[in-house]
Amino acid sequence: DSGVTQTPKHLITATGQRVTLRCSPRSGDLSVYWYQQSLDQGLQFLIQYYNGEERAKGNILERFSAQQFPDLHSELNLSSLELGDSALYFCASSGQQGPYGYTFGSGTRLTVV
Amino acid sequence: SQQGEEDPQALSIQEGENATMNCSYKTSINNLQWYRQNSGRGLVHLILIRSNEREKHSGRLRVTLDTSKKSSSLLITASRAADTASYFCATVGANQAGTALIFGKGTTLSVSS
Repeated sequence: DSGVTQTPKHLITATGQRVTLRCSPRSGDLSVYWYQQSLDQGLQFLIQYYNGEERAKGNILERFSAQQFPDLHSELNLSSLELGDSALYFCASSGQQGPYGYTFGSGTRLTVV
Repeated sequence: SQQGEEDPQALSIQEGENATMNCSYKTSINNLQWYRQNSGRGLVHLILIRSNEREKHSGRLRVTLDTSKKSSSLLITASRAADTASYFCATVGANQAGTALIFGKGTTLSVSS
C-alpha cells in the first residue's frame, strides 16, 4: 500500500456517460496530481491541486474537471466520455516540501464501450 | 506533451547483467527522477537527482545527469528477474507552473533467468 488510495480500481461505462474518480493522498501531502496513461500517449499530466487550489494544468480536456476538497481528497470528473478516453488514470501526491518522491496510487482503469 | 525521451524503448537482458537506460529532456530542470512501473500497476519512485548533482547511487541503481547535454542515464547492476518492468524518467521544469512531473515514454526492461 503506497498510502495513496484510488477508487474505483476498474470502471466500465458507455460513451457519452460521466464518471468520477476519487483519490485520497498520502497523509500530510498537500499536492495532488492526476495523470492519464494510454498506450499511444504515454503518461500525460492532467492537473495539479495544492491545498485545495488549482496549481497547474496539463493536457486536460475541457470535458474533464477536477477539484480538491478541504480534507485534501481529490476527484476527477470525466464527462461526455469517448472511446479514446479509455486509459489508466493515476493520482499522485507529494509533500509540502517540494516535488520529491511522488507517491502514486494503483490507478483506476477506465474502459469506455 | 512528453518532456523526456527514453532510449532504448525496449531492453532484454539475462539475469546478472547490467541494464542501462538513457533519458533526454528538452528544458531546464530542477530535478530529474526515475520511476518503475510493473505491468498495469502504479509507479514507484526509485531515485531523484537534483540539477546541481552529477551522479547518485541507491543500492543497485546508479543515476547520472548531464545538464549540458540535457540527458540522464539509469544503470541497474546485477539485474534480477524481479527488475522486469517499465522505467520512466520524469522531470520538474525550472520554469514551469506547479510541480508536476513530466514523464517520458519509458523503457521496457525484460530480465530473463
